[in-house]
Amino acid sequence: NAGVTQTPKFRVLKTGQSMTLLCAQDMNHEYMYWYRQDPGMGLRLIHYSVGEGTTAKGEVPDGYNVSRLKKQNFLLGLESAAPSQTSVYFCASSRGLGGPDTQYFGPGTRLTVL
Amino acid sequence: AQSVAQPEDQVNVAEGNPLTVKCTYSVSGNPYLFWYVQYPNRGLQFLLKYITGDNLVKGSYGFEAEFNKSQTSFHLKKPSALVSDSALYFCAVRDGGGSYIPTFGRGTSLIVHP
Repeated sequence: NAGVTQTPKFRVLKTGQSMTLLCAQDMNHEYMYWYRQDPGMGLRLIHYSVGEGTTAKGEVPDGYNVSRLKKQNFLLGLESAAPSQTSVYFCASSRGLGGPDTQYFGPGTRLTVL
Repeated sequence: AQSVAQPEDQVNVAEGNPLTVKCTYSVSGNPYLFWYVQYPNRGLQFLLKYITGDNLVKGSYGFEAEFNKSQTSFHLKKPSALVSDSALYFCAVRDGGGSYIPTFGRGTSLIVHP
């Protein structure tokens, strides 16, 4: 099992450009999450999904959109990138069947917006 | 609402000495508590979790955590630190009777000196 994978690993954008980050999991998990990690801020939840076809806003959703068309994939989109979106982005998944759900994280995508 | 605090940005300890990384939490119901570790340029990895029962939870790599309901704490401990334990540690909490989405602390950088 590959677990949770993220594409791409690194990306440099110019202000105003758009891009999509792809997260894939092969564990048949119901829940998927997108976080951003910034120095001193810990992990902040951007959006999450509790099942195929569903999405919900997290703590810092502005400037991002997501889609979960297939159970195994969770896409994070930046329509018009801004320097404030320079960050490391992590995707995670969990079983989502209730109870103390352990999250499994991808290796991260380092995004720089110039 | 649920929240978690990691009061120390950084913990320094000498190799071979015991280590403690602190975490306190707030939930309205029964807590599910987690510790994750992040090594440089990697995603987060699950260490251990508390669900119910024994207040001392044992996890990966020799780590353990003690749940204290009266002090609303879940401190991470290890009897003898290794240089390879140097990493960023995150505490997370989920309200057992509420949202399935956990809240993460800001992280504590553990530095183990040779």
